[in-house]
Amino acid sequence: DAKTTQPPSMDCAEGRAANLPCNHSTISGNEYVYWYRQIHSQGPQYIIHGLKNNETNEMASLIITEDRKSSTLILPHATLRDTAVYYCIVRVGWGTGSQGNLIFGKGTKLSVKP
Amino acid sequence: NAGVTQTPKFQVLKTGQSMTLQCAQDMNHEYMSWYRQDPGMGLRLIHYSVGAGITDQGEVPNGYNVSRSTTEDFPLRLLSAAPSQTSVYFCASSDRTGTYEQYFGPGTRLTVT
Repeated sequence: DAKTTQPPSMDCAEGRAANLPCNHSTISGNEYVYWYRQIHSQGPQYIIHGLKNNETNEMASLIITEDRKSSTLILPHATLRDTAVYYCIVRVGWGTGSQGNLIFGKGTKLSVKP
Repeated sequence: NAGVTQTPKFQVLKTGQSMTLQCAQDMNHEYMSWYRQDPGMGLRLIHYSVGAGITDQGEVPNGYNVSRSTTEDFPLRLLSAAPSQTSVYFCASSDRTGTYEQYFGPGTRLTVT
């Protein structure tokens, strides 16, 4: 089972910041938080990941609480093309065997509206 | 680089038929995996491989076989198709350095009648 909890859906106005929450209260010390998104029926796309520090790249920012039990993905200026299902996944960094696997939950369906 | 490619894009099978879904990657990634996605659901892991000659089962392996004879290819075989295997199938690959980002293929939409 997925180790994360996300709201099933969210709306965001175009041009505003989209803040997508994720709870991962049972996260272990060696587990990273990964975010992927799936636009329509395409294959999922990697967005960002982090361990305990906040991270930013050209797509998004990831804010992880100090206790690491929750995180927030921020899309700073959402566009209509950001409408997608967003998946929050916890996973160890690379190890052996099944540790590389991604366990997907149902994610959050983000609808960006004009 | 073509990334991760999957063929065919669409397939219709009759119950009991067998077929192979093809997956190839040109990024020299060690790790490859197969997922299925049913309507309104997240992806579920079928089988995965951490290198040529090494495969293992994921969450929902029944009814599927895999092999990994080369780094580039990771075919998924349906032994005797059933309507419950109607789904969209995604292949993914990853290396073991940097972000460990998984790259996904465009998917194969399979219908079993």
